[in-house]
Amino acid sequence: DAKTTQPTSMDCAEGRAANLPCNHSTISGNEYVYWYRQIHSQGPQYIIHGLKNNETNEMASLIITEDRKSSTLILPHATLRDTAVYYCIVRDNTDKLIFGTGTRLQVFP
Amino acid sequence: GAGVSQSPRYKVAKRGQDVALRCDPISGHVSLFWYQQALGQGPEFLTYFQNEAQLDKSGLPSDRFFAERPEGSVSTLKIQRTQQEDSAVYLCASSLTNTVIGEQFFGPGTRLTVL
Repeated sequence: DAKTTQPTSMDCAEGRAANLPCNHSTISGNEYVYWYRQIHSQGPQYIIHGLKNNETNEMASLIITEDRKSSTLILPHATLRDTAVYYCIVRDNTDKLIFGTGTRLQVFP
Repeated sequence: GAGVSQSPRYKVAKRGQDVALRCDPISGHVSLFWYQQALGQGPEFLTYFQNEAQLDKSGLPSDRFFAERPEGSVSTLKIQRTQQEDSAVYLCASSLTNTVIGEQFFGPGTRLTVL
Protein backbone atom coordinates (compact mmCIF):
# COMPACT_ATOMS: atom_id res chain seq x y z
CA ASP A 1 0.00 0.00 0.00
CA ALA A 2 1.02 3.57 -0.64
CA LYS A 3 2.55 5.29 2.37
CA THR A 4 1.40 8.74 1.30
CA THR A 5 -1.76 10.83 1.43
CA GLN A 6 -2.50 13.50 -1.16
CA PRO A 7 -5.53 15.63 -2.00
CA THR A 8 -7.55 14.19 -4.84
CA SER A 9 -7.51 17.32 -6.95
CA MET A 10 -6.30 20.93 -7.06
CA ASP A 11 -6.66 23.91 -9.35
CA CYS A 12 -4.08 26.54 -10.18
CA ALA A 13 -4.12 29.64 -12.35
CA GLU A 14 -1.60 29.77 -15.16
CA GLY A 15 1.53 31.66 -14.13
CA ARG A 16 0.93 31.18 -10.43
CA ALA A 17 2.80 28.80 -8.16
CA ALA A 18 1.25 25.37 -7.66
CA ASN A 19 1.87 23.93 -4.20
CA LEU A 20 1.05 20.23 -3.96
CA PRO A 21 1.06 18.78 -0.43
CA CYS A 22 1.83 15.23 0.61
CA ASN A 23 1.62 13.54 3.99
CA HIS A 24 3.93 10.63 4.80
CA SER A 25 3.77 10.39 8.58
CA THR A 26 5.15 6.83 8.73
CA ILE A 27 8.27 7.54 6.68
CA SER A 28 11.43 5.96 8.07
CA GLY A 29 14.92 7.38 8.15
CA ASN A 30 16.27 5.75 5.02
CA GLU A 31 13.27 6.38 2.80
CA TYR A 32 13.28 8.98 0.06
CA VAL A 33 10.38 11.13 -1.09
CA TYR A 34 9.88 10.99 -4.87
CA TRP A 35 7.53 12.92 -7.11
CA TYR A 36 6.37 11.76 -10.51
CA ARG A 37 3.67 13.17 -12.75
CA GLN A 38 1.55 11.59 -15.44
CA ILE A 39 0.15 13.63 -18.28
CA HIS A 40 -2.88 12.13 -19.95
CA SER A 41 -2.11 9.07 -22.08
CA GLN A 42 1.60 9.15 -21.25
CA GLY A 43 3.80 7.20 -18.87
CA PRO A 44 4.80 8.74 -15.55
CA GLN A 45 7.62 11.26 -15.63
CA TYR A 46 10.17 11.76 -12.86
CA ILE A 47 10.17 15.25 -11.33
CA ILE A 48 12.33 15.35 -8.24
CA HIS A 49 13.31 13.45 -5.11
CA GLY A 50 14.78 14.19 -1.68
CA LEU A 51 15.75 12.65 1.62
CA LYS A 52 16.01 15.40 4.23
CA ASN A 53 17.03 18.63 2.58
CA ASN A 54 14.99 20.79 0.29
CA GLU A 55 15.74 20.20 -3.37
CA THR A 56 15.35 22.25 -6.52
CA ASN A 57 15.80 21.43 -10.19
CA GLU A 58 14.66 22.91 -13.46
CA MET A 59 11.17 21.50 -13.06
CA ALA A 60 10.25 22.06 -9.44
CA SER A 61 11.20 22.52 -5.81
CA LEU A 62 10.66 19.99 -3.05
CA ILE A 63 10.21 21.20 0.50
CA ILE A 64 10.44 18.51 3.20
CA THR A 65 9.46 19.35 6.77
CA GLU A 66 12.06 18.92 9.48
CA ASP A 67 10.28 15.89 10.95
CA ARG A 68 9.96 14.50 7.40
CA LYS A 69 6.31 13.68 7.92
CA SER A 70 5.15 15.84 5.06
CA SER A 71 6.42 17.56 1.96
CA THR A 72 5.31 20.03 -0.70
CA LEU A 73 6.07 20.03 -4.39
CA ILE A 74 6.22 23.54 -5.81
CA LEU A 75 5.84 24.36 -9.49
CA PRO A 76 6.88 28.01 -9.40
CA HIS A 77 5.09 29.23 -12.53
CA ALA A 78 2.47 26.73 -13.61
CA THR A 79 1.62 26.44 -17.30
CA LEU A 80 -1.23 24.66 -19.03
CA ARG A 81 1.20 21.85 -19.87
CA ASP A 82 1.62 21.15 -16.17
CA THR A 83 -1.93 19.79 -16.02
CA ALA A 84 -1.39 16.19 -14.90
CA VAL A 85 -1.74 13.72 -12.05
CA TYR A 86 1.07 14.20 -9.54
CA TYR A 87 2.22 11.26 -7.46
CA CYS A 88 4.10 11.55 -4.18
CA ILE A 89 5.96 8.30 -3.42
CA VAL A 90 7.93 7.17 -0.41
CA ARG A 91 10.60 4.83 -1.66
CA ASP A 92 12.22 2.26 0.59
CA ASN A 93 15.13 -0.03 -0.03
CA THR A 94 13.31 -1.96 -2.70
CA ASP A 95 13.43 -0.82 -6.26
CA LYS A 96 9.73 -0.71 -7.07
CA LEU A 97 7.67 2.44 -6.94
CA ILE A 98 4.41 2.24 -5.00
CA PHE A 99 2.01 4.77 -6.45
CA GLY A 100 -1.13 5.99 -4.75
CA THR A 101 -3.93 7.73 -6.59
CA GLY A 102 -2.12 11.07 -6.73
CA THR A 103 -3.36 14.64 -7.05
CA ARG A 104 -5.01 15.72 -10.25
CA LEU A 105 -3.73 19.26 -10.92
CA GLN A 106 -5.74 21.37 -13.32
CA VAL A 107 -4.04 24.54 -14.53
CA PHE A 108 -6.50 27.01 -15.97
CA PRO A 109 -5.92 30.10 -18.16
CA GLY B 1 17.99 10.22 -27.42
CA ALA B 2 15.59 7.30 -27.58
CA GLY B 3 13.48 6.67 -24.55
CA VAL B 4 11.67 3.54 -23.46
CA SER B 5 9.48 2.19 -26.22
CA GLN B 6 6.60 -0.26 -25.99
CA SER B 7 4.68 -2.18 -28.60
CA PRO B 8 1.97 -2.47 -29.52
CA ARG B 9 0.51 0.78 -28.19
CA TYR B 10 -2.96 -0.68 -28.30
CA LYS B 11 -4.10 -4.29 -28.18
CA VAL B 12 -7.59 -5.70 -28.32
CA ALA B 13 -7.94 -9.34 -27.39
CA LYS B 14 -10.86 -11.68 -27.08
CA ARG B 15 -11.26 -13.31 -23.72
CA GLY B 16 -9.14 -16.44 -23.58
CA GLN B 17 -6.52 -15.28 -26.07
CA ASP B 18 -2.86 -15.03 -25.21
CA VAL B 19 -1.07 -11.69 -25.64
CA ALA B 20 2.56 -10.59 -25.64
CA LEU B 21 3.62 -7.04 -24.83
CA ARG B 22 7.08 -5.82 -25.68
CA CYS B 23 9.33 -3.32 -23.93
CA ASP B 24 12.54 -1.85 -25.33
CA PRO B 25 14.36 -0.13 -22.46
CA ILE B 26 16.89 2.63 -22.78
CA SER B 27 20.16 1.12 -23.97
CA GLY B 28 22.46 0.20 -21.12
CA HIS B 29 19.83 0.36 -18.42
CA VAL B 30 20.29 -2.39 -15.90
CA SER B 31 16.89 -2.44 -14.27
CA LEU B 32 13.53 -3.00 -15.94
CA PHE B 33 10.08 -2.82 -14.37
CA TRP B 34 6.55 -3.67 -15.42
CA TYR B 35 3.53 -1.91 -13.94
CA GLN B 36 -0.20 -2.30 -14.50
CA GLN B 37 -2.48 0.74 -14.44
CA ALA B 38 -6.23 0.32 -14.24
CA LEU B 39 -8.48 3.16 -15.31
CA GLY B 40 -8.42 6.00 -12.80
CA GLN B 41 -5.79 4.37 -10.61
CA GLY B 42 -2.08 4.79 -10.10
CA PRO B 43 0.33 2.26 -11.61
CA GLU B 44 0.83 -0.95 -9.66
CA PHE B 45 4.07 -2.89 -9.63
CA LEU B 46 4.13 -6.24 -11.38
CA THR B 47 7.72 -7.41 -11.70
CA TYR B 48 11.35 -6.31 -11.78
CA PHE B 49 14.47 -7.43 -13.62
CA GLN B 50 18.09 -6.67 -12.99
CA ASN B 51 19.77 -7.51 -16.27
CA GLU B 52 18.28 -10.90 -17.21
CA ALA B 53 17.47 -11.94 -13.64
CA GLN B 54 13.89 -11.57 -12.47
CA LEU B 55 14.44 -10.46 -8.89
CA ASP B 56 10.88 -9.65 -7.88
CA LYS B 57 7.65 -10.97 -9.33
CA SER B 58 5.53 -10.39 -6.27
CA GLY B 59 3.10 -8.13 -8.12
CA LEU B 60 2.09 -10.56 -10.85
CA PRO B 61 -1.64 -11.13 -10.19
CA SER B 62 -1.81 -14.76 -11.27
CA ASP B 63 0.14 -17.54 -12.92
CA ARG B 64 -1.34 -16.41 -16.22
CA PHE B 65 1.15 -13.55 -16.18
CA PHE B 66 4.72 -14.25 -17.21
CA ALA B 67 7.62 -11.91 -17.94
CA GLU B 68 11.05 -12.51 -19.38
CA ARG B 69 14.18 -10.59 -20.31
CA PRO B 70 16.44 -13.30 -21.69
CA GLU B 71 19.37 -11.17 -22.86
CA GLY B 72 19.09 -8.41 -20.33
CA SER B 73 17.67 -5.84 -22.71
CA VAL B 74 14.25 -6.30 -24.38
CA SER B 75 11.52 -7.66 -22.16
CA THR B 76 8.21 -9.34 -22.93
CA LEU B 77 5.18 -9.52 -20.67
CA LYS B 78 2.93 -12.40 -21.62
CA ILE B 79 -0.62 -12.87 -20.44
CA GLN B 80 -2.22 -16.23 -21.08
CA ARG B 81 -5.95 -16.85 -21.37
CA THR B 82 -6.78 -13.17 -20.98
CA GLN B 83 -9.73 -12.15 -18.83
CA GLN B 84 -11.72 -8.92 -18.82
CA GLU B 85 -10.12 -7.86 -15.56
CA ASP B 86 -6.76 -7.83 -17.35
CA SER B 87 -7.88 -4.75 -19.29
CA ALA B 88 -5.46 -2.00 -18.29
CA VAL B 89 -2.47 0.01 -19.43
CA TYR B 90 0.77 -1.91 -19.04
CA LEU B 91 3.74 0.34 -18.38
CA CYS B 92 7.39 -0.53 -18.70
CA ALA B 93 10.15 1.46 -17.02
CA SER B 94 13.92 1.20 -17.02
CA SER B 95 16.60 2.51 -14.74
CA LEU B 96 20.33 2.94 -15.33
CA THR B 97 21.42 1.67 -11.93
CA ASN B 98 20.30 -0.98 -9.52
CA THR B 99 20.37 1.34 -6.55
CA VAL B 100 17.30 2.63 -4.84
CA ILE B 101 17.88 6.21 -5.95
CA GLY B 102 17.84 5.37 -9.64
CA GLU B 103 15.33 7.38 -11.62
CA GLN B 104 12.87 5.22 -13.54
CA PHE B 105 12.09 6.22 -17.11
CA PHE B 106 8.68 5.11 -18.30
CA GLY B 107 7.46 4.14 -21.73
CA PRO B 108 4.10 5.28 -23.11
CA GLY B 109 2.40 2.03 -22.17
CA THR B 110 0.34 -0.58 -23.97
CA ARG B 111 -3.41 -0.27 -23.56
CA LEU B 112 -4.91 -3.76 -23.44
CA THR B 113 -8.63 -4.20 -23.89
CA VAL B 114 -10.06 -7.66 -23.36
CA LEU B 115 -13.52 -8.17 -24.83
